[in-house]
Amino acid sequence: DSGVTQTPKHLITATGQRVTLRCSPRSGDLSVYWYQQSLDQGLQFLIQYYNGEERAKGNILERFSAQQFPDLHSELNLSSLELGDSALYFCASSVGGARQETQYFGPGTRLLVL
Amino acid sequence: GNSVTQMEGPVTLSEEAFLTINCTYTATGYPSLFWYVQYPGEGLQLLLKATKADDKGSNKGFEATYRKETTSFHLEKGSVQVSDSAVYFCALKLNAGGTSYGKLTFGQGTILTVHP
Repeated sequence: DSGVTQTPKHLITATGQRVTLRCSPRSGDLSVYWYQQSLDQGLQFLIQYYNGEERAKGNILERFSAQQFPDLHSELNLSSLELGDSALYFCASSVGGARQETQYFGPGTRLLVL
Repeated sequence: GNSVTQMEGPVTLSEEAFLTINCTYTATGYPSLFWYVQYPGEGLQLLLKATKADDKGSNKGFEATYRKETTSFHLEKGSVQVSDSAVYFCALKLNAGGTSYGKLTFGQGTILTVHP
């Protein structure tokens, strides 16, 4: 158990809908990262938050957004869902600085868009 | 750009066989390197890491040495077990510079199956 929690574990929804994925980092970790794992794209970085502020953006679609709250939990919002958004979404939180920084991953949310 | 290339899988071995999974990288800078493992139906678990050249990361019998001259970080284990069956991901993290700071860049993953 990494100490990172994600809810829900599974999500089934329809095209055009909107969903929210939730992540609670390990106690004391200020950084939260979101990644998408799909068969065709592999594991891709989406976005990073540090202590409530957006720090870096990757291949995140405009239909997707995220935020980190004062208690450091984070939410990833996916809207106008398409079939191709079906994937496993991971969050990770990190400890250590610069070269020593290490990310610990949650169990993921499996999203199926029908 | 930054990228990680892993050997194509799947890799199928008998129990107690020697394992090598090759990983090479391209990076604009001096990255930290990681191996993560994903067991069926689970998330990614950190297996080992190395943060500078010639460092050796090790955990649970697995080892990998950071080779800057060959830009490689090959994963090895002397004697695999059935319980090692999983997908293994090599990843790098840059340690400076713009929007790439902090994020992990992953290889495509290598499926390992170990038979009794």
